Amino acid sequence: GAVVSQHPSRVICKSGTSVKIECRSLDFQATTMFWYRQFPKQSLMLMATSNEGSKATYEQGVEKDKFLINHASLTLSTLTVTSAHPEDSSFYICSASGTGGDSPLHFGNGTRLTVT
Amino acid sequence: GESVGLHLPTLSVQEGDNSIINCAYSNSASDYFIWYKQESGKGPQFIIDIRSNMDKRQGQRVTVLLNKTVKHLSLQIAATQPGDSAVYFCADLPLGRRALTFGSGTRLQVQP
Repeated sequence: GAVVSQHPSRVICKSGTSVKIECRSLDFQATTMFWYRQFPKQSLMLMATSNEGSKATYEQGVEKDKFLINHASLTLSTLTVTSAHPEDSSFYICSASGTGGDSPLHFGNGTRLTVT
Repeated sequence: GESVGLHLPTLSVQEGDNSIINCAYSNSASDYFIWYKQESGKGPQFIIDIRSNMDKRQGQRVTVLLNKTVKHLSLQIAATQPGDSAVYFCADLPLGRRALTFGSGTRLQVQP
C-alpha cells in the first residue's frame, strides 16, 4: 500500500531556532501534500495544502512566513517552522494524495516538535 | 467533521463486544467519508471509506454506516480486541476540496 514517510519523528529545539520536517511519498507520486497540526487530545487541524511546483495554500490563521512549505518534487514536501516558540510545540502530520484524485489520503507517522 | 472538542469522549468496551463509534459532520456538500484509527504518537491509519451514494460499507470486522439525512456517520467494530484501543476519527471531503476535515475523535478503550 501507499506509504508516506515523515522525518524526524521527534525533534527538540530551542526557542528562536528553525526546524525542518520532511514528508516523503515512498511508492507513489504525490501531486498534493497536506500539513496538519494536532495538539494533545485534539483533532487534526489543516495548516496548508501544497501542490508540486506551486505555492502552498494556507488555512486562515496560519502564518505563511512562519510555516514555510516547499513541495519541489512529486515525492517530497518540507515544512519549516521558523523562529520557533514554545506555543509551536505540537504534533505535525503530513498526508499525501496521489494522481488518483480523491483516493484515500495516506498519512505520515507525524513529528513531535518540542520547543524549549 | 466537527472539530470542536478540547477533550476526547471515551468509549469503553469489553473485549469481544461490538463497538459503535459515532460522528456528525457539518458539510452537506461532502461526498466522501473516511474513518481513521490513530494510536498514540502515530499518524492516522486508514480503516474504511464510503461515498455519499452508499449508506453502508463493510470491511474486515468493520462496518461504516452513513446517514446523509442527519449528517451522521458511524463505525462499527465487531468482536473488539485490545489492539483496537486507539483514537478514532471520522473525516469528510467536501465536494471540490482535496483536504480532509477531521471530526473531534473518540477514544476507544478495550478492557480485557
